[in-house]
Amino acid sequence: AQSVAQPEDQVNVAEGNPLTVKCTYSVSGNPYLFWYVQYPNRGLQFLLKYITGDNLVKGSYGFEAEFNKSQTSFHLKKPSALVSDSALYFCAVRDFTRFQKLVFGTGTRLLVSP
Amino acid sequence: NAGVTQTPKFQVLKTGQSMTLQCAQDMNHNSMYWYRQDPGMGLRLIYYSASEGTTDKGEVPNGYNVSRLNKREFSLRLESAAPSQTSVYFCASSARFGSTAQNTEAFFGQGTRLTVV
Repeated sequence: AQSVAQPEDQVNVAEGNPLTVKCTYSVSGNPYLFWYVQYPNRGLQFLLKYITGDNLVKGSYGFEAEFNKSQTSFHLKKPSALVSDSALYFCAVRDFTRFQKLVFGTGTRLLVSP
Repeated sequence: NAGVTQTPKFQVLKTGQSMTLQCAQDMNHNSMYWYRQDPGMGLRLIYYSASEGTTDKGEVPNGYNVSRLNKREFSLRLESAAPSQTSVYFCASSARFGSTAQNTEAFFGQGTRLTVV
């Protein structure tokens, strides 16, 4: 079965520092990977996706993600964190074996301190 | 362009009561989904609809029914609410995969926070 894992429940970073939110995947075939962000009491907002092509994918709000096939990882990164980046981040993979649904990780809470 | 709209945003039910969560999308998407979000468990798929007139069970369908009324609307019904159904419910839609690989992301509504007491 297709799955993703987010090993960190929470990531703390100071404003202005680089941030990384980790995600590893397990899929059969080529992975279609996504990052979503959820602000308090809001729905999920799409940040970026990897389908094919360049391993470094750029997305919304200055975020980017690096696809690493040998390490089966798709880590979310930002060079300089903002307090407003504090939110819940979900990694997801498209599951072609059933319903073509998105399979989500358990989420990582990012806290950016001033 | 509203995207995905869910109603209501909040609801409190007594055990045994029934209710329907409504969802509509205006992006002409074929696929629609209902997820529930619980702390520490991420999002779990309740039901899925690949197109108008078709629905399939997801990971956690027990206690729920769905109806794909037309291409825009996909409703979720709790026939007899239980405290275990206390959760945040999200509706989502996406283009049918295969139409174009660039349109594979899903778009989410704002969620319905449901409490069953």
